[in-house]
Amino acid sequence: KQEVTQIPAALSVPEGENLVLNCSFTDSAIYNLQWFRQDPGKGLTSLLLIQSSQREQTSGRLNASLDKSSGRSTLYIAASQPGDSATYLCAVSNAGNMLTFGGGTRLMVKP
Amino acid sequence: AAGVIQSPRHLIKEKRETATLKCYPIPRHDTVYWYQQGPGQDPQFLISFYEKMQSDKGSIPDRFSAQQFSDYHSELNMSSLELGDSALYFCASSFGNQPQHFGDGTRLSIL
Repeated sequence: KQEVTQIPAALSVPEGENLVLNCSFTDSAIYNLQWFRQDPGKGLTSLLLIQSSQREQTSGRLNASLDKSSGRSTLYIAASQPGDSATYLCAVSNAGNMLTFGGGTRLMVKP
Repeated sequence: AAGVIQSPRHLIKEKRETATLKCYPIPRHDTVYWYQQGPGQDPQFLISFYEKMQSDKGSIPDRFSAQQFSDYHSELNMSSLELGDSALYFCASSFGNQPQHFGDGTRLSIL
């Protein structure tokens, strides 16, 4: 059974810092990996999708990398802003395309 | 662009009652997924449908059932509701194994 772990569970940084969120998964036979953002009580916003054959994806200040063989992904956020405060969820898809989520990293960026 | 529509947004029920949640996928998406996110938890996969047929089943209780209709919308039927069923229920849709797009969720509260 696929298990996804995210470290750290919570992170508080001052505005402007660059930061890294970590995600690890136990079964490397994945189709893709997605990073989501979730604001309190709200839905899931897809940030980046990395196919299993890819090593990284970039969107604006966000960069996600994937090391499938070691079962790891990182989400790099450059020049963090207070508006980046949210919970960031990593999810992997296996056969059937259903997603297995990690527990999330709750990020607080202080002005 | 059209997104995944879920209704209702909020629903309050009492124990032992029934509830029906509805999901309208993005046009031309043929696959629908249901997830349950309990308070402080990560989303858990419940069930998915491809072309109106159940494709995968996750941790869905026997008290719950779901189906996908000819117009591709899906309904999650929940019976004998328990306090532990209080959660945010997400629907997502995709075209085949393409990335899933999530709705804003239905918040179900059981009194």
